This record gives sequence, C-alpha cells and structure tokens, in this order.
Amino acid sequence: GAVVSQHPSRVICKSGTSVKIECRSLDFQATTMFWYRQFPKQSLMLMATSNEGSKATYEQGVEKDKFLINHASLTLSTLTVTSAHPEDSSFYICSARARSGYGYTFGSGTRLTVV
Amino acid sequence: AQKVTQAQTEISVVEKEDVTLDCVYETRDTTYYLFWYKQPPSGELVFLIRRNSFDEQNEISGRYSWNFQKSTSSFNFTITASQVVDSAVYFCALSLGGGGYQKVTFGTGTKLQVIP
Repeated sequence: GAVVSQHPSRVICKSGTSVKIECRSLDFQATTMFWYRQFPKQSLMLMATSNEGSKATYEQGVEKDKFLINHASLTLSTLTVTSAHPEDSSFYICSARARSGYGYTFGSGTRLTVV
Repeated sequence: AQKVTQAQTEISVVEKEDVTLDCVYETRDTTYYLFWYKQPPSGELVFLIRRNSFDEQNEISGRYSWNFQKSTSSFNFTITASQVVDSAVYFCALSLGGGGYQKVTFGTGTKLQVIP
C-alpha cells in the first residue's frame, strides 16, 4: 500500500532557530500534500495544501513566512518552521494524495519541541 | 463548508465490552468520503476505513464495524469485545469528492480507554 515517510519523528530545537520537516511518498507520486498541526488533546488542523511545482495554499490564520512549505517534486514536500518559538511546539503531520485516487496517506508525524 | 462532530470526548470501557463511537457530519455536497482514523499514544495516524457517500452498506472488519446512515448524517464506529490495545484517540473525518484536491476535515476525536 501507499506509504508516506515523515522525518524526523521528534525534534527539539532552540528558540529562534529553524526546523525542517520532510515528508516523502515512497511508492506513489503525491500530487498533493497536506500539512496539519495538532495541539495536545486536540484535533488535526489543516495548515496548508500544496501541489507539486506550485505555491502552497495556506489556511486562514497560518503565517506563510513562518511555515514555509516546499513541494518541489512528486515525492517530497518539506515544512520549515522558521524562527521557532515555544508556542510553535506541536505535533505536525503530513498527508499525501495521489492524482489517481482519493485516498489520503498520512505520515507518522513530527513532535516539535522548542525550548 | 463541511463539519464533523464527535460529541463523545472520552469513553472508558472495561475490556471485552462493546463500544460505539459516534460521528455526525455536515456537508451540502452529494459526493464525499468519510474516514475513521486511530491515533495511538505514539501519535501516528492509522487508517481504518474510507467510505464514499454512495455506498451505505455497513461494513465489518474483524471486531470493527461501521454504520453509515445518510438519513441522519452519521457514520458510527463500533468495536466489539474491546481490548486494551484499542485504547487510542479515534478521529472521524470527511473530504469532498470530485476533481482536484480536497482537504480532509477532522472531528475533535474521541479518546477511548479500555480498562483491563
């Protein structure tokens, strides 16, 4: 079945630094990638949607300059949290969808802690 | 806009009991997909089922069963003879059909605790 690999699974970074999270589709071409954020004991909130080769579409309230999304190829999307602050600490999870199907495959998530 | 409501925030059951997790959705579209995901304490999302809006047949997979009723906009999930390993947060979700990319809207989740 479709597999999405997300790395790193956990990261701790200092306030003010940037962190990059990768999401790779291993056995299919992900024409669309979704990035979600989940606060403790809460649901998943969509941050942005990206199609390969084009700019990401951000949800209302999500800072584009803070959460940089790159979807340069059909198998890789990255989320960079720039100038991270403690309030950015959260669980980030990606989801990929192939052109041919309506299934959504999720990565295993990244737990970011900013100290 | 679509919406998914999971009214049960937390449920505790004793092992071997049956438990039903409720899910009510809202959408004006006639073509849509419904999902259930399991999120264990480790955090990853485990896909359980996808059902399209034109298929109202109930489905059973081992101890899991799903009851889709368009008349009440519900897509409930039942675990029979619950086990401790079923303890997790369960999310119901909805995406619209049609072409192009469609985001998935999640409910707030139901935390299930199965007590040995």
